[in-house]
Amino acid sequence: AQTVTQSQPEMSVQEAETVTLSCTYDTSENNYYLFWYKQPPSRQMILVIRQEAYKQQNATENRFSVNFQKAAKSFSLKISDSQLGDTAMYFCAFMNSGAGSYQLTFGKGTKLSVIP
Amino acid sequence: EAGVAQSPRYKIIEKRQSVAFWCNPISGHATLYWYQQILGQGPKLLIQFQNNGVVDDSQLPKDRFSAERLKGVDSTLKIQPAKLEDSAVYLCASSLLANYGYTFGSGTRLTVV
Repeated sequence: AQTVTQSQPEMSVQEAETVTLSCTYDTSENNYYLFWYKQPPSRQMILVIRQEAYKQQNATENRFSVNFQKAAKSFSLKISDSQLGDTAMYFCAFMNSGAGSYQLTFGKGTKLSVIP
Repeated sequence: EAGVAQSPRYKIIEKRQSVAFWCNPISGHATLYWYQQILGQGPKLLIQFQNNGVVDDSQLPKDRFSAERLKGVDSTLKIQPAKLEDSAVYLCASSLLANYGYTFGSGTRLTVV
């Protein structure tokens, strides 16, 4: 079974600064997908960014980018120019494509606070 | 497009009572998921439907939890009887192409007292 580990329960960052959230995962599969989801107090999980394991190029979405290190099984999220609206729980998630069921396995999350 | 709708938003019940949650996925999304999120943890999959058939319910406590998806659209998740440890947020999600990620609803926060 796959496991996802987020080693930082809480982090804080000053507004307009850059912050990096860590994620590692364990799998024996070669084909999979990785995601970062944001969960604000409204509770809705919002997709932030997605990475396909067979692509070496790191995914970027505006102020959000990832550092995907396949050999190290590491998938960190960098948020640039942090904004107050980025305050939320952030969850790293793994999806195995080989099994066919395409299920998301989540880490325990990192609570990010953006300080004005 | 409309998002994934869930109701109720909050529910408080006493232990041993029953409760039901409702989910309406995005139109056209064949796959529907129910996740349980206990406070301080990431969501955990309870059951996955493809249209109105069950793909995976291996983590569903079947002695007390049940779920159905009639006509491949709406879904209900039921707990009977509830235990204190069932207190959690229950999230519903749907997907068209799952490898592009799911769309989640806002969840139902259940408190069992």
